[in-house]
Amino acid sequence: DIVMTQSPSSLAVSAGETVTINCKSSQSLLYSGNQKNYLAWYQQKPGQSPKLLIYWASTRQSGVPDRFIGSGSGTDFTLTISSVQAEDLAIYYCQQYYDTPYTFGAGTKLELK
Amino acid sequence: QVQLKESGPGLVQPSQTLSLTCTVSGFSLTSNSVHWVRQPPGKGLEWMGGIWGDGSTDYNSALKSRLSISRDTSKSQVFLKMNSLQTDDTAIYFCTIASGVYWGQGVMVTVSS
Repeated sequence: DIVMTQSPSSLAVSAGETVTINCKSSQSLLYSGNQKNYLAWYQQKPGQSPKLLIYWASTRQSGVPDRFIGSGSGTDFTLTISSVQAEDLAIYYCQQYYDTPYTFGAGTKLELK
Repeated sequence: QVQLKESGPGLVQPSQTLSLTCTVSGFSLTSNSVHWVRQPPGKGLEWMGGIWGDGSTDYNSALKSRLSISRDTSKSQVFLKMNSLQTDDTAIYFCTIASGVYWGQGVMVTVSS
């Protein structure tokens, strides 16, 4: 199984700051056939279902603000949130869909400083 | 529009079998895969398994011996059955379409005598 390691587990931020969340996979998520990285980022707020933010490691889902930026390739990926707003306080998960069983990172909780 | 809705018992006794239904609308089960994801209270997301458009299935390695996913395309329903439930199976159970864009609201299942 592909293991997804996320860091940090929590992050305290002030509104307006830029934050970076890291996700490392135990094997490459880059498929040579199409040069796509099979990595997604989700946001989950209390009492809600997860919301897809980013897929193919860097493609923003429709309607997601452009302050959410996904980057990385192979085994190392990053979600950057620029100018954090209060509505961004949530838990963020990475997930690989390169191979089953699909696996999630343990999550990063974004909190107010 | 695309919708998914989970249904099932809120309480299951230890050692019993859990049966959940995901009723979908707005897309075809023969053209899309549906996956089950669960989340224990206060913990992260766990991909349980999925059923593909051709009817084949994949399961989380840790659950494979207890888990079965099936469907009824005529009723637009996907089923989850998991036996030998224990208290650590207490969780919110979500169904989601493969793209990750659409999720059900989740159903809370408590395993307790």
